[in-house]
Amino acid sequence: QSVLTQPPSASGTPGQRVTISCSGSTSNIGRNTVNWYRQFPGTAPKLLIHGDHQRPSEVPDRFSGSKSGTSASLAISGLQSEDEADYYCAAWDDSLTGYWVFGGGTKLTVL
Amino acid sequence: QVQLVESGGGLVRPGGSLRLSCAASGFSFSDYYMSWMRQAPGKGLEWLSYISKSSSHTKNADSVKGRFTISRDNAKNSLHLQMNSLRAEDTAVYYCARVERGSGDDFYYYYMDVWGKGTTVTVSS
Repeated sequence: QSVLTQPPSASGTPGQRVTISCSGSTSNIGRNTVNWYRQFPGTAPKLLIHGDHQRPSEVPDRFSGSKSGTSASLAISGLQSEDEADYYCAAWDDSLTGYWVFGGGTKLTVL
Repeated sequence: QVQLVESGGGLVRPGGSLRLSCAASGFSFSDYYMSWMRQAPGKGLEWLSYISKSSSHTKNADSVKGRFTISRDNAKNSLHLQMNSLRAEDTAVYYCARVERGSGDDFYYYYMDVWGKGTTVTVSS
């Protein structure tokens, strides 16, 4: 069971806007920044968002991140077929001695 | 360009050992913390360990504490993960990643920005 909670699946049609949620607690999302990664089958995760909403220069502005309290969201606008992938949230957790935690991942299907 | 390439994975019997390596290129390796993660078949990502720039500070996840040891050789731009007392549940793809520092209005934070393609470890008799 993952420390951060994500819906196992999400879907949308091309052009649509979809959001993926990530729920945590005061020891992780509530106190530290959230990062988002995308992973295609058989490949390594790729950074999409860091620091809650910061986007690396190579990531299209169709991807945006937000956070409120102990929850965060990744929004993808103008959905494209190539966005079909697994998406993971991550954050540092201050409990115990501190460690990075991930969500269980959300499989995004483009219908 | 920035690149991380893992090696050293393979098939090992329960109780055995394996040493993973991660070759870094395209950036100043000694200026960054580094980290290891893994992903069991069909499962999500799990953080395992990180090491500071000079190796003075390391931290492990509870799931591997006492069994896995992270190390680095800045002269050779390489990161390592020594895995002992391996169990079937350690079967996974193992990734190394660079730890970057970001900044907000009045704070710093850290995140894994560049990941290698991974190396597969299978623990089975």
